[in-house]
Amino acid sequence: AQSVTQLGSHVSVSEGALVLLRCNYSSSVPPYLFWYVQYPNQGLQLLLKYTSAATLVKGINGFEAEFKKSETSFHLTKPSAHMSDAAEYFCAVNIQGAQKLVFGQGTRLTINP
Amino acid sequence: DAGVIQSPRHEVTEMGQEVTLRCKPISGHDYLFWYRQTMMRGLELLIYFNNNVPIDDSGMPEDRFSAKMPNASFSTLKIQPSEPRDSAVYFCASSLAPGPYGYTFGSGTRLTVV
Repeated sequence: AQSVTQLGSHVSVSEGALVLLRCNYSSSVPPYLFWYVQYPNQGLQLLLKYTSAATLVKGINGFEAEFKKSETSFHLTKPSAHMSDAAEYFCAVNIQGAQKLVFGQGTRLTINP
Repeated sequence: DAGVIQSPRHEVTEMGQEVTLRCKPISGHDYLFWYRQTMMRGLELLIYFNNNVPIDDSGMPEDRFSAKMPNASFSTLKIQPSEPRDSAVYFCASSLAPGPYGYTFGSGTRLTVV
C-alpha cells in the first residue's frame, strides 16, 4: 500500500531563513509525487510535482523539491522564507496505476518576522 | 478555464436540515473527488467518481451522506439530516486522469451546522 509521511505538523522559521518541509513515501515502484499549498480560507493549490523526469523540481513562489529514491523522500525547500509563505503544505503520492492520490497529514508553516 | 467551481462558499444550517453542496469540475476532467477537512481529522477523502460513476465511497461517514454525479459537469454532496459534527470545509477536486496530472481543487464550502 502506498503511504506518505510528513515529519512535523508545525514548522516555524524566521523571515529570510531556509524553509525545509519533509516528506517520505513508501512504495515499491517509483511514484508520482506532489506538493500542495493551502493558504487560509482557500483550497489546495499545486506547488510542484515529480513525474519521473528531472529529480530536482522547481515550483511556484521559489519552492523546489528533490526526489531521492534511495531515501524515499521528496522534501520541499525554499532558500529564503517570506511572510507570504505562511500556509499549510501537503505532500501527496500517486503510485503508478492507482486512481487516487494519498495525502500526508499536512505541515503548517509559520514565518516569524 | 474557471477552475473547479463550488457553491455555496458558506452555508449555515440548523441541525436536522438537509444540506446540498455543489461542484462543477473542469471540463474534460474524468475524475471528481469530494473531501472533508477539519482540524481534528485533517483532509479526508469521502468519495470519488470516474466518468460520472462512483468508484469508491468507503470514506462516506454514514448513510446521512450521499453523492451524485448526474453528468460530467455537475456533482452534489448531500447531507440529510445534518448534525453539528458535520461542520467542516468540504472540497471538490477534479483530475484529468490518474498518474502525473494531480488534482485541481475548488475553493471549498464552509459548512456550519448549529
